[in-house]
Amino acid sequence: AQSVAQPEDQVNVAEGNPLTVKCTYSVSGNPYLFWYVQYPNRGLQFLLKYITGDNLVKGSYGFEAEFNKSQTSFHLKKPSALVSDSALYFCAVRDDDHGSGNTGKLIFGQGTTLQVKP
Amino acid sequence: ETGVTQSPTHLIKTRGQQVTLRCSSQSGHNTVSWYQQALGQGPQFIFQYYREEENGRGNFPPRFSGLQFPNYSSELNVNALELDDSALYLCASSLQGAFGYTFGSGTRLTVV
Repeated sequence: AQSVAQPEDQVNVAEGNPLTVKCTYSVSGNPYLFWYVQYPNRGLQFLLKYITGDNLVKGSYGFEAEFNKSQTSFHLKKPSALVSDSALYFCAVRDDDHGSGNTGKLIFGQGTTLQVKP
Repeated sequence: ETGVTQSPTHLIKTRGQQVTLRCSSQSGHNTVSWYQQALGQGPQFIFQYYREEENGRGNFPPRFSGLQFPNYSSELNVNALELDDSALYLCASSLQGAFGYTFGSGTRLTVV
C-alpha cells in the first residue's frame, strides 16, 4: 500500500533562514507526490506536485521540493522563510486502485507544523 | 474559474442524528472526493464520486454515503452520528485521470 511519512511534528525556523519540511514515501509503481498547506480553520492549498521529469519541482509562494528516488524522499524547501509561512504542511501520495477503476485517491501524512519566528 | 464551495461551514449535531454536507466542484472538474480530517490528523479518504457513482471507498462504515449530481456537485451524508465523527470534512474536485486537485475550505462538524 502507498504511504507517506512526515517524521517531524513541528519545525521551527527564524525568519529569513532556509526551511525544510521532510517527507518520505513508500509506493509500488510510479510515485505521484504532492505538498499542501493548511492555515487554521481552512482547507488545503496546493503548493506543488511531482509527477515525472525534473527532480527539483518549483511551486507556489517560493516553495520547492526535491524528489529523491534513492532515498524515497520528497522534502519541501524554501530559501528564506517568512512569518506568514507559519502553517500546517501535508505531504501526500496518489494511490490509484486499478481494481475499482478509481484514480486519484490521495494519502496524506500526519502533517508538520511550521513555526517561523520573527 | 470558480473554486470548490462547501456548505455549511460549521455544523453542530447531536449523537444519533443525520447530517448532509454539500460540495460544488470547480468548473471543468468531473470527480469529487471527500476526506475526513480529525483534529491533529491528516485528511483520510472517505470516497470518490465519478459519473454519479461511487468510484472507490476508504475505510469508513456504510453510514457514510454520498451522491453526485449531473452538474458534478456532491453530497456527503452521515447517519447515526457518533462523537468520533466530529471533524473537518473536506471536498476535493478533480478531472478523472488528471493530477490537479482543488480543495474546498471544509465543513467543521461537531457532534455533541
